Amino acid sequence: KAGVTQTPRYLIKTRGQQVTLSCSPISGHRSVSWYQQTPGQGLQFLFEYFSETQRNKGNFPGRFSGRQFSNSRSEMNVSTLELGDSALYLCASSNPMGQIEETQYFGPGTRLLVL
Amino acid sequence: DAKTTQPPSMDCAEGRAANLPCNHSTISGNEYVYWYRQIHSQGPQYIIHGLKNNETNEMASLIITEDRKSSTLILPHATLRDTAVYYCIVRVEVGGNTPLVFGKGTRLSVIA
Repeated sequence: KAGVTQTPRYLIKTRGQQVTLSCSPISGHRSVSWYQQTPGQGLQFLFEYFSETQRNKGNFPGRFSGRQFSNSRSEMNVSTLELGDSALYLCASSNPMGQIEETQYFGPGTRLLVL
Repeated sequence: DAKTTQPPSMDCAEGRAANLPCNHSTISGNEYVYWYRQIHSQGPQYIIHGLKNNETNEMASLIITEDRKSSTLILPHATLRDTAVYYCIVRVEVGGNTPLVFGKGTRLSVIA
């Protein structure tokens, strides 16, 4: 099985712009979670989508949003970029079986640099 | 906040076993222990997880103490490619939509 893929792998934007990142989960996985990793704050949870619905959300401002499509692919959007949004953005997929949450598998990440 | 405590760094000689400890003294009965590792600038890689029994797979072994307050990840024959940050995470598996909460992990350096 192919792993989690994320596009683009690298991105440079300027302050005030907006950005959209994409994640394709492992085939058959229906849950997609997004994380942000910075040197100062480490790995932090952004949000999780399952069956096109946001099920869980971390403590991030409303500039960070996401969505999930019927094929389980997910996108996250950051509007009005700030310098502090420079980070590695990671996507993880899993296949929850009823009430049981399965293991999350991560993609390679998108490295975003905001100038 | 992470519910685990790990040493910030460890060294291991190549070919020797690497034993990475993790303290999770407040773990609940329905929380699993997960281990991930992250090689520089890559996405975290799942290694292994367990509830109370010891677990082994092709990558590593997980030893959980009987009181479940601590665990040890064992890489039986460490190689240079095992140099990474290792994260120990406790997480509810049943009935939760719980995200992974990462701490600072242990930076393992495998030395030739």
